[in-house]
Amino acid sequence: EVQLVESGGDLVHPGGSLRLSCAASGFAFRDFEMNWVRQAPGKGLEWISFINTASSTMNYADSVRGRFAISRDNARNSLFLQMNSLRVGDTAVYYCAAGYSRKWIDYWGQGTLVTVSS
Amino acid sequence: SYELTQPPSVSVSPGQTATITCAGDRLWNKYVSWHQQRPGQSPVLVIYQDYNRPSGIPERFSGSSSGNTATLTISEIQTFDEADYYCQAWDTSMVFGGGTKLAVL
Repeated sequence: EVQLVESGGDLVHPGGSLRLSCAASGFAFRDFEMNWVRQAPGKGLEWISFINTASSTMNYADSVRGRFAISRDNARNSLFLQMNSLRVGDTAVYYCAAGYSRKWIDYWGQGTLVTVSS
Repeated sequence: SYELTQPPSVSVSPGQTATITCAGDRLWNKYVSWHQQRPGQSPVLVIYQDYNRPSGIPERFSGSSSGNTATLTISEIQTFDEADYYCQAWDTSMVFGGGTKLAVL
């Protein structure tokens, strides 16, 4: 069974930092492109970051570029998102998402909630 | 930046057919995927590469694309099909439509 399990979500003050993790199992993690997608309360899905299988290409949405950093560890079947300079507008459920192609998502995690508030 | 436009809501009666559209510039030369998100749950892929269904997705779900519009069609609508549906494409990065709330009346 394919599983993507996110962790690390928490309540943090504006300007603070947080590191999200995603543990993958049930599929060949090293062969899949990985993304982080977020969903603000009551809103739609927003793609925020991509990393390819070899960690040689990373892309970011304008809303997070320069503040967030994506990484992966294929030996540990894990994906990470380092989030710095957090803003109230970053409050959302963050989903880890895997795709055999960079052009779509095959598998979604259950999400982890990040709340940025003073 | 690239944009995908979906109707905010679609209503349909049980047993009927629902059609959800997704419009975008030059969409004809991009692969479109569709994701279902039931209330309180994570999204699930239901259509990829315009019309392909992942294993486990019922044949009632079908996709098509022509010109600047992609379409998700769900036949024989059932109450548990009530969900938000998001189209998704790739331009220079991944893009999602705003989502369509499917109500089964």
